[in-house]
Amino acid sequence: GAGVSQTPSNKVTEKGKYVELRCDPISGHTALYWYRQSLGQGPEFLIYFQGTGAADDSGLPNDRFFAVRPEGSVSTLKIQRTERGDSAMYLCASSITSGTYNEQFFGPGTRLTVL
Amino acid sequence: EDKVVQSPLSLVVHEGDTVTLNCSYEVTNFRSLLWYKQEKKAPTFLFMLTSSGIEKKSGRLSSILDKKELSSILNITATQTGDSAIYLCAVRKETSGSRLTFGEGTQLTVNP
Repeated sequence: GAGVSQTPSNKVTEKGKYVELRCDPISGHTALYWYRQSLGQGPEFLIYFQGTGAADDSGLPNDRFFAVRPEGSVSTLKIQRTERGDSAMYLCASSITSGTYNEQFFGPGTRLTVL
Repeated sequence: EDKVVQSPLSLVVHEGDTVTLNCSYEVTNFRSLLWYKQEKKAPTFLFMLTSSGIEKKSGRLSSILDKKELSSILNITATQTGDSAIYLCAVRKETSGSRLTFGEGTQLTVNP
């Protein structure tokens, strides 16, 4: 596909469970970003990758959150021991590089609900 | 702490009206300000502003940055129902790579 894709589009889980959210960036984009958006708020930065490495993970709220991008393309955001406060829309974006003049293209997001 | 504040938080207008959305920021090492439109899910890019006083325009939408006032406005003329969306403002710093810091957004509703 031409755009950023994310799966699943919706995920409902129970408190304490583990979840994985997947992001497939635009082909050829080396930079990939994860954001979290709570209802009524703007997206909040979590982590970004340049290639395979996490260039900035300072937005991850705690050590229950982890993300990987092993081959420099698809990324997975992993959340352990989910809590109700983790419920939000998780958005992924990619850009051609991480240069500060490059536009970030967003995917449709994964809506996570923790019961 | 970096801050981006948008106003109003919500706005209801009639088709054909002109609207002005505001964004102010407090960040160190400012690089650029971006506007996005978010309808259902994915924010879509509208404008990136780096220089003060230079208007960017796309159809009925236009935006300008004022670095002295640390603010930007997004104007939409002759609004249509399809303009109904959340409009997000974000800033990017020199020193933070490409991470974006977003405001809360303005929920615009255009009624027929």
